[in-house]
Amino acid sequence: SYELTQPPSVSVSPGQTARITCSGDALPKQYAYWYQQKPGQAPVLVIYKDSERPSGIPERFSGSSSGTTVTLTISGVQAEDEADYYCQSTDSSETWVFGGGTKLTVL
Amino acid sequence: EVQLVESGGGLVQPGRSLRLSCRGSGFTFGDYVMTWFRQAPGKGLEWVGFIRSKAYGGTTEYAASVKGRFTISRDDSKSIAYLEMNSLKTEDTAVYYCATPYDPNYDAFDIWGQGTMVTVSS
Repeated sequence: SYELTQPPSVSVSPGQTARITCSGDALPKQYAYWYQQKPGQAPVLVIYKDSERPSGIPERFSGSSSGTTVTLTISGVQAEDEADYYCQSTDSSETWVFGGGTKLTVL
Repeated sequence: EVQLVESGGGLVQPGRSLRLSCRGSGFTFGDYVMTWFRQAPGKGLEWVGFIRSKAYGGTTEYAASVKGRFTISRDDSKSIAYLEMNSLKTEDTAVYYCATPYDPNYDAFDIWGQGTMVTVSS
């Protein structure tokens, strides 16, 4: 079955840049999406179609794609950005797959 | 306000059944695909399945882990999607979320419910 691979954790100090990667064989052909999830809350969409930002999401959130890897970048990280981040995509078989999630810690 | 609200979670014994509901409001429910996800305690997100709108046949797709045990249906007159879970296993213990790709520009799950907890235990 199709898999997306994320690092389990990323740590940064406030004001620094956090980069979270997600790797998958089908990513060159399929869009990736990123969700932020804080404890006890439902996921929130922060990036769609690899690099687009939904309305209401701060500009410090951005996405990029290169080959089989997509990256979520948070510039000027703030304490409120501490959360779990999940990438999501499909292998075109009408099934949705998530990465294992990355816990972002703001030191 | 566009909103989804799940209900029906609780404690159930292994092998038994449970039906979850997802009620939508603030939008034309029947026009949208409704998708179920779950998250086991301390674990990541997992796609469970979805039901297309009637305009696209109202057909369903399921994850391999639940296929044959779970059934998704919808009653557009009530703006409710259902997740019927049969032959429940302890590994089905999770928070269950419904979600929908509301904004067509995003083509992503931008509307989520708050989730409902299902605990499968004897």
